[in-house]
Amino acid sequence: AQKVTQAQTEISVVEKEDVTLDCVYETRDTTYYLFWYKQPPSGELVFLIRRNSFDEQNEISGRYSWNFQKSTSSFNFTITASQVVDSAVYFCALSEAPSTGFQKLVFGTGTRLLVSP
Amino acid sequence: EAQVTQNPRYLITVTGKKLTVTCSQNMNHEYMSWYRQDPGLGLRQIYYSMNVEVTDKGDVPEGYKVSRKEKRNFPLILESPSPNQTSLYFCASSLLKQANEQFFGPGTRLTVL
Repeated sequence: AQKVTQAQTEISVVEKEDVTLDCVYETRDTTYYLFWYKQPPSGELVFLIRRNSFDEQNEISGRYSWNFQKSTSSFNFTITASQVVDSAVYFCALSEAPSTGFQKLVFGTGTRLLVSP
Repeated sequence: EAQVTQNPRYLITVTGKKLTVTCSQNMNHEYMSWYRQDPGLGLRQIYYSMNVEVTDKGDVPEGYKVSRKEKRNFPLILESPSPNQTSLYFCASSLLKQANEQFFGPGTRLTVL
């Protein structure tokens, strides 16, 4: 069965610090997708990234970077030089890709990031 | 503009009073889904639909009903709400292909007294 673990419930940093949010997943499939979503205080879910299981290249987007390591079943998210606007709850999610094409997202419990000035 | 809309955005109701939360998407997506978000539990899937008249239970379906009579709409029905259904609800839609991005609605915050 699919499972996503975000062991860090809450992280507090001071602006300009780097911070890494951990995500560990479990799946029996060889084909799957991993996601990160951001939920700011306003409540909506903002899609950040999708990664498929065949692409282990790290990704960088501005101050955001993602480290996908199949060997440790981890998909960690790093924010460089954090800013107050990064304060949010961040969810990691996993979707298996069976032959039916049906996708189901399984979410982790989220990590609340507090960035203080 | 491509979007998923939910109504109402906020609702306070009392135990036992039937309510419906509407969800509509304008992207011609086959797949639609409802999630609830609770502190410390993340988002959990309630029901999903792979197309018109095709619905199935997710992980936490108890106390909820859904229908999919039209492709664009996927209402969530609480026939007899209870306080343990106080939660933040999200509707999502996507193409019925492998792991395409799910588009999420803005959320509905429901309080059952």
